[in-house]
Amino acid sequence: GAVVSQHPSWVICKSGTSVKIECRSLDFQATTMFWYRQFPKQSLMLMATSNEGSKATYEQGVEKDKFLINHASLTLSTLTVTSAHPEDSSFYICSARHTGGGNQPQHFGDGTRLSIL
Amino acid sequence: AQSVAQPEDQVNVAEGNPLTVKCTYSVSGNPYLFWYVQYPNRGLQFLLKYITGDNLVKGSYGFEAEFNKSQTSFHLKKPSALVSDSALYFCAVRDMGNTPLVFGKGTRLSVIA
Repeated sequence: GAVVSQHPSWVICKSGTSVKIECRSLDFQATTMFWYRQFPKQSLMLMATSNEGSKATYEQGVEKDKFLINHASLTLSTLTVTSAHPEDSSFYICSARHTGGGNQPQHFGDGTRLSIL
Repeated sequence: AQSVAQPEDQVNVAEGNPLTVKCTYSVSGNPYLFWYVQYPNRGLQFLLKYITGDNLVKGSYGFEAEFNKSQTSFHLKKPSALVSDSALYFCAVRDMGNTPLVFGKGTRLSVIA
């Protein structure tokens, strides 16, 4: 089945550090990838839609200068949390949809737990 | 705009009994409906989807869901629950365009031995 690999799984770092999270589709090409944020015991909140070769589309209220997204190839998207602060601590999950689009399901990575001290 | 409602925060069921996790949706046009399961500190695993065709959709791990257009519902079911089914379940919807999934708030299923 379709596999999405997300790395790293856990990050603990000091306030002010920038953190990069990678999302790779291992066995399929994904023109579109999505980045979600999940707070404890809550649903997934869409942060942005990442399209290969073009600028990401950010949801309302998400700071694009804070959460930098790059989708340089059909199998890799990255999310960089710049100058992270404790309020950025959360569970970040990426998702990829097969290039065929249409009725394909979104496949999810295992998430990255980010803790900012 | 699309939306999903999962009216129950928690569902408890005894092992071996049938289970139902409820979901209703709102979307303009024909819906694409999905169920995902999430285990602690993990991403979401795809269970099943409805795009078109038979209203009863069968998915992974013995789960199935019934699409009901008149009631705009897509309830998740399983005839006999297992303790290992205990997890967080999300219903999601999108329209026919290349739009992202919109998720319900999730329902925590606890299967008691």
